[in-house]
Amino acid sequence: KNEVEQSPQNLTAQEGEFITINCSYSVGISALHWLQQHPGGGIVSLFMLSSGKKKHGRLIATINIQEKHSSLHITASHPRDSAVYICAVGTNTGNQFYFGTGTSLTVIP
Amino acid sequence: KAGVTQTPRYLIKTRGQQVTLSCSPISGHRSVSWYQQTPGQGLQFLFEYFSETQRNKGNFPGRFSGRQFSNSRSEMNVSTLELGDSALYLCASSEGTANYGYTFGSGTRLTVV
Repeated sequence: KNEVEQSPQNLTAQEGEFITINCSYSVGISALHWLQQHPGGGIVSLFMLSSGKKKHGRLIATINIQEKHSSLHITASHPRDSAVYICAVGTNTGNQFYFGTGTSLTVIP
Repeated sequence: KAGVTQTPRYLIKTRGQQVTLSCSPISGHRSVSWYQQTPGQGLQFLFEYFSETQRNKGNFPGRFSGRQFSNSRSEMNVSTLELGDSALYLCASSEGTANYGYTFGSGTRLTVV
């Protein structure tokens, strides 16, 4: 059983489309992170959430603590958004981290 | 402000050898955590150090160890390397707890032959 589940695993979109990636978790958390990993390995932390909603440019992340669910939205998607998006949670019982398996996004021009 | 620096970027080792990886956190960050990423298992948490003390540890064998120095730089050591240890090893630094943002390094890609 995975503590963090992401969907979909793979996603292909046309440039300009609105994209949603979902993350569900089963542990008590202190914070949820959305990470972006481009080919070559480098990881960038996009958001850290413990409640509500955050927006950065075309990216929006929301979290529902009661439902243990988070979504990452990309508006007006662009080919440069092509990457693997990973959801990670930090637990509230000792700084353990669990990761989703990632969503591989390809945006076609 | 310099980011998280991991060295070396690439490494090739032979089975049975040991390896040491280094991570220099962002200045002022006291927490350094290490992760292993493989195609089969994805990202997995190895351990976290805070103020020179290991604060938490993932489910990895004792061959994987680490330490943190007084300047917050951290090293990770893997002894008696196995082929399955081939992976991207990432470290991340933060100010303190999971409530603070994490900054990741670019990783060290280890290949065991």
